Amino acid sequence: AQSVAQPEDQVNVAEGNPLTVKCTYSVSGNPYLFWYVQYPNRGLQFLLKYITGDNLVKGSYGFEAEFNKSQTSFHLKKPSALVSDSALYFCAVRGFLNAGNNRKLIWGLGTSLAVNP
Amino acid sequence: NAGVTQTPKFQVLKTGQSMTLQCAQDMNHEYMSWYRQDPGMGLRLIHYSVGAGITDQGEVPNGYNVSRSTTEDFPLRLLSAAPSQTSVYFCASSPPAGGPDTQYFGPGTRLTVL
Repeated sequence: AQSVAQPEDQVNVAEGNPLTVKCTYSVSGNPYLFWYVQYPNRGLQFLLKYITGDNLVKGSYGFEAEFNKSQTSFHLKKPSALVSDSALYFCAVRGFLNAGNNRKLIWGLGTSLAVNP
Repeated sequence: NAGVTQTPKFQVLKTGQSMTLQCAQDMNHEYMSWYRQDPGMGLRLIHYSVGAGITDQGEVPNGYNVSRSTTEDFPLRLLSAAPSQTSVYFCASSPPAGGPDTQYFGPGTRLTVL
């Protein structure tokens, strides 16, 4: 089965502290993994992706994510959170649409990050 | 580049009315898609296209039609609006024809069906 799980609906962190937003996935083959961010009343913006190579991926706005194949996880991290990081974060993995070869992104339900001043 | 644009930003329809949500991109992307976003359900794929003249159904296509006459435009038509179609609709595009890879999203259309 293809799926993405974001186990936390909400994450609260104090400004300046490190943050982690968790994501686990289930997909056959080598995963293509993505993180997107959605600010209020805006469309989603791409943050970073993992396709192959180094397990630590660096992305926009100081975010990074660590791919762990054995734990099928792709957690989003930032060493020092900013109030402006407060937003909704989505993890996604590329999978297959129905039984054919056509692909789609399988999305998690999102995690709301609140960074408190 | 304007990226991905969507119109209108807001729309209120009565049950049974039809309308078209417009989507355009100026990045020469081959892959385009329509999603709806509902609370607690994440993003669900409605229809997608891998190039001009080619469209296919996503996960929740019922009640919606699409066409792709040009690379730039990918309109979504609601045939007979129902309250269950109240949602936020996002159009997205992606460079590879085999897509999706990194997707670029429009700002969304917030639709209410009364």
